[in-house]
Amino acid sequence: GAVVSQHPSWVICKSGTSVKIECRSLDFQATTMFWYRQFPKQSLMLMATSNEGSKATYEQGVEKDKFLINHASLTLSTLTVTSAHPEDSSFYICSARDSGQGRSPLHFGNGTRLTVT
Amino acid sequence: SQQGEEDPQALSIQEGENATMNCSYKTSINNLQWYRQNSGRGLVHLILIRSNEREKHSGRLRVTLDTSKKSSSLLITASRAADTASYFCATDSRGFGNEKLTFGTGTRLTIIP
Repeated sequence: GAVVSQHPSWVICKSGTSVKIECRSLDFQATTMFWYRQFPKQSLMLMATSNEGSKATYEQGVEKDKFLINHASLTLSTLTVTSAHPEDSSFYICSARDSGQGRSPLHFGNGTRLTVT
Repeated sequence: SQQGEEDPQALSIQEGENATMNCSYKTSINNLQWYRQNSGRGLVHLILIRSNEREKHSGRLRVTLDTSKKSSSLLITASRAADTASYFCATDSRGFGNEKLTFGTGTRLTIIP
C-alpha cells in the first residue's frame, strides 16, 4: 500500500533554532501534500497545503514566514519551523494523496514530535 | 474552528462489545471519512461515506450518515484490544482531487481485555 515517510519522528531543539521536517511519498507521486499540527489529546489542525512547484497555501492564522514549506519534487515536501519557541512544541503530521489515482484517501506520515526547550 | 464535534470524547468498553462513536458537523459536505490514530502515530483511513449515502460497511465497521442532522456514527462490532486508539471523523467540502479535510475532536476508545 501507499506509504508516507515522515522524518524525524521526534526532535528536541533549543529556542531560536530552526528545525526541518521531511515528508516523503515512498511509492507514489503527490502533487499536493498537507501539513497538520496536533496538540495533546486534540484534533488535527490543518496548517498549510503544499503544492509541488508552487507556493504553499496557508490556513488563516498560520505564519508563513515561521513555517516554511517547500515542495520541490513530486515525492518530497519539507516543513521548516524557523526560530522555534517552546510554544511551537507539538506533533506535526503530513499527509499526501496519490496523484495517479483520482479517488484515493489521504495517506498520513507517522508524525514528528517537536519539543523546543 | 472545528468542523466536527465527536462524542463521546472517551469510551471504555470490554473486549467483544460494540463501540459507537458519533460525529456532528456544521457545513455541507461532499463526503465524510473516519480515521484511526494510534497513540503518537499518524492517521489510518478507515472508511469514507459520500453525502448521498446513508450507510456503509467495511468488515467490523459500520458507518451511517444523516445529512439532515449533519451527523455520522461509527460502529465497531466485536471490539478487540487492537481497536484501542483515537478515532476522528473528517469532512470534505470540496470532493476528491482538491481535498481539504477538517477533522473532528476525536473519540479515545479503550478496549479492556
